[in-house]
Amino acid sequence: QKEVEQDPGPLSVPEGAIVSLNCTYSNSAFQYFMWYRQYSRKGPELLMYTYSSGNKEDGRFTAQVDKSSKYISLFIRDSQPSDSATYLCAMSGYSGFGNEKLTFGTGTRLTIIP
Amino acid sequence: SAVISQKPSRDICQRGTSLTIQCQVDSQVTMMFWYRQQPGQSLTLIATANQGSEATYESGFVIDKFPISRPNLTFSTLTVSNMSPEDSSIYLCSVERQEGYYEQYFGPGTRLTVT
Repeated sequence: QKEVEQDPGPLSVPEGAIVSLNCTYSNSAFQYFMWYRQYSRKGPELLMYTYSSGNKEDGRFTAQVDKSSKYISLFIRDSQPSDSATYLCAMSGYSGFGNEKLTFGTGTRLTIIP
Repeated sequence: SAVISQKPSRDICQRGTSLTIQCQVDSQVTMMFWYRQQPGQSLTLIATANQGSEATYESGFVIDKFPISRPNLTFSTLTVSNMSPEDSSIYLCSVERQEGYYEQYFGPGTRLTVT
């Protein structure tokens, strides 16, 4: 069993819809949870990170973490064609000293249809 | 954040040869990382490169196959040696910055095809 599971999609939704992307994980030591966006032929770009359980909002994006269920989500409101990309979840423990090894999901390919 | 460049952006190589990938960062960083991204698979950490010390390799990756140099705080190279078609992948470098948490930022990647 992989430490991090993510539905690879592809996922296609109409412009303006709310998108929900999800990951599950098995390692209870994970404390930091990140979402990266990767456009075609580009490197991953950090969207947001969340510590422990709870919600974090940044513009049209909301990240949710439920540590009791080992489940994280990214919601995109009012989705735009420019949101079309692959979204990668990533997570790590926390040593406090840097060199935080990230464990990634496989990524979900999202297409927003105009 | 960080501005990271990689060279080459892509290459097609013959089996048995070696390719060196360069990673340049716009400011000094302690930690640099090298990842591999294969189609349909997770980003996989190859090794961590700390300036002034030997790189630390993850399970399944060895120095003879993926030698790494880290001559200063803004530059690193990864060499893919004695290549086979199974080495065809995207190779990415990343750097770590402490901005709240230890956030990682990625370069654009090097797309390698081995024939």
